[in-house]
Amino acid sequence: DAKTTQPPSMDCAEGRAANLPCNHSTISGNEYVYWYRQIHSQGPQYIIHGLKNNETNEMASLIITEDRKSSTLILPHATLRDTAVYYCIVRVDGSGNTPLVFGKGTRLSVIA
Amino acid sequence: EPEVTQTPSHQVTQMGQEVILRCVPISNHLYFYWYRQILGQKVEFLVSFYNNEISEKSEIFDDQFSVERPDGSNFTLKIRSTKLEDSAMYFCASNRGGLGNQPQHFGDGTRLSIL
Repeated sequence: DAKTTQPPSMDCAEGRAANLPCNHSTISGNEYVYWYRQIHSQGPQYIIHGLKNNETNEMASLIITEDRKSSTLILPHATLRDTAVYYCIVRVDGSGNTPLVFGKGTRLSVIA
Repeated sequence: EPEVTQTPSHQVTQMGQEVILRCVPISNHLYFYWYRQILGQKVEFLVSFYNNEISEKSEIFDDQFSVERPDGSNFTLKIRSTKLEDSAMYFCASNRGGLGNQPQHFGDGTRLSIL
């Protein structure tokens, strides 16, 4: 079972920041927080991941609380094309072949 | 940007027939995976593959399923005798592995419809 809890749905106005929360209160010290999204029925798309520090890339920012029990994915200027299901996943560090355990995610609707 | 490619995009098969789903992972990746997603449900892990053998498999991956890397580029999932409940989207993924956590990258999937 997924070790994360996310709200089932959220709305965001186009052009505004979308802040998607995730709770992972049982995360272990060697587990990373990953975010993926799935647009319609396409394959999950990798967004960002982090361990302890906040991370930023061209798609989004990831803010992880100091106790690592929760995180927030931030899409700084949401567009209609960001409408998707967003998955927060914890994944143990390792040699690289740990499978991803998907939950139900958050369905983000970006509204014009 | 390199990507995982899957063929066919849609496969329609009669129940009881064998089906092979094909994937070309990203070229320098070493770890390969199959996931499936039944319509309206969660993405579920099936199997992971590394160094020409299965690393891990889920309860879903029973004797009807097999995986193979027949050459240096393709990674296939075979379902020996399909059932109606095998109808789903099947996603292939790969990652580089090695030090530091490397994200998995997914293909756009094959929609398998069993009649």
